[in-house]
Amino acid sequence: QVQLQESGPGLVKPSETLSLTCTVSGGSVSSTTYYWSWIRQPPGKGLEWIGYVYYSGSTNYNPSLKSRVTISVDTSKNQFSLKLSSVTAADTAVYYCARGMRKVDYWGQGTLVTVSS
Amino acid sequence: QSALTQPASVSGSPGQSITISCTGTSSDVGGYHYVSWYQQHPGKAPKLMIYDVSNWPSGVSNRFSGSKSGNTASLTISGLQAEDEADYYCSSYTSSNTVIFGGGTKLTVL
Repeated sequence: QVQLQESGPGLVKPSETLSLTCTVSGGSVSSTTYYWSWIRQPPGKGLEWIGYVYYSGSTNYNPSLKSRVTISVDTSKNQFSLKLSSVTAADTAVYYCARGMRKVDYWGQGTLVTVSS
Repeated sequence: QSALTQPASVSGSPGQSITISCTGTSSDVGGYHYVSWYQQHPGKAPKLMIYDVSNWPSGVSNRFSGSKSGNTASLTISGLQAEDEADYYCSSYTSSNTVIFGGGTKLTVL
């Protein structure tokens, strides 16, 4: 059974960089079959796709976030990571890491990141 | 990219059928056979219910079905049950090799 677990600070100051890591167990980020995605959900609002990374390191991002987002993969640790720079209160959300892109079949439990001074 | 358009809410009585629509453009829903539907209960992570327009992941009830016509995809839930009450989101692959979600639909079982 594939499991994903997000980790990182729950509180980030405005203008700083949000950094989260997703640790995968029961599966491998080195798989050539899957993309690995980050998705977020502001409190009380809908889902927003942030971007994905492939085992090779290739990425693609939501155009509205592209200038601030970096997603990377560490195959040696079976992890992938998200960095979102210059955050504002609008970036407050539950952040999910997930397996897949066109279809997302496994999700982490989500982690709430609050942007506040 | 703008979110796919879903109704904010739908409702139905136990045993009835309901349909949730998801409207996009020819650059996303209409252009590809890659529409997925997710169910989300409060405080929980979303769960994949339908992928590639009309396919079921293992373990998902066949009371859930998907279809597509032109730029609009639909999720139908038949034999509505109390546990179906949740938020539902559609998503689509896009011509930019990205993914876009719908705004979400709250299903109330009366």
